[in-house]
Amino acid sequence: AQKVTQAQTEISVVEKEDVTLDCVYETRDTTYYLFWYKQPPSGELVFLIRRNSFDEQNEISGRYSWNFQKSTSSFNFTITASQVVDSAVYFCALHKETSGSRLTFGEGTQLTVNP
Amino acid sequence: KAGVTQTPRYLIKTRGQQVTLSCSPISGHRSVSWYQQTPGQGLQFLFEYFSETQRNKGNFPGRFSGRQFSNSRSEMNVSTLELGDSALYLCASSLDLVPRNEQFFGPGTRLTVL
Repeated sequence: AQKVTQAQTEISVVEKEDVTLDCVYETRDTTYYLFWYKQPPSGELVFLIRRNSFDEQNEISGRYSWNFQKSTSSFNFTITASQVVDSAVYFCALHKETSGSRLTFGEGTQLTVNP
Repeated sequence: KAGVTQTPRYLIKTRGQQVTLSCSPISGHRSVSWYQQTPGQGLQFLFEYFSETQRNKGNFPGRFSGRQFSNSRSEMNVSTLELGDSALYLCASSLDLVPRNEQFFGPGTRLTVL
C-alpha cells in the first residue's frame, strides 16, 4: 500500500521568511514518482514539480526548492523569501508506474503568509 | 489553449437525489481522472478513463460511476446522494499515462448535499 504523510496541517509565516513543507511517503515499489501541487482558493491543483525515484538531485526553481531523500523517504519543499501570493494549500503526491494516472495525495499543508 | 473545464461549478442537491458532473479535458488529452476532496478524507482517487474505457478505479461504492465519450469529455454520476458526498470533485486530464505526461486539474465542482 502507498501512503503520503504531510504532518504539518497549517503553517503561518511572515512575508520574506523561509518555510519548509514536509512530505514523507511509503511505498514498496522501486520505481515511483513524487509530485508537489499548489491549491489556491480557486480550487484547481497547480503542478509544481515531478521527481522520479531514481533521481535524488535536489532542484531549485526560483524561490522554490525541493529536497528528495530516499534514505528517509522524504520529499520536502522549501519556499525562500515567502510572499503573500504563496498562501495556499500544498499537496505532496505519490504515483507508481502500474497505477495508470492515479495519484495518492497527502493530507495537505495550509500555508498562510502574512504581510 | 483552454484548460480543463468542469460544469457546473456549484451544485446543491438533497439526500436521495442523483447528480451528474461534467469534465471537458484539454484539447487532445485522452486521459481523464476524477478525485473527491473532503476535509475529512482529503483527496481521493475515484476513477480514470482513457479512450472511453475505465482504466483504473478507486475504493468508492457503486453509487459513483463515470463514463467517457468519444471526444474525451467525461461525466461522473452519483446516485442516491448521501450527506457525506458533499465535496469538491476535481477532474484532471493528461495526454496519456501519468507521469510521463503532465496532469492538469480543473477548478472543480463543489457539491453540497442537504
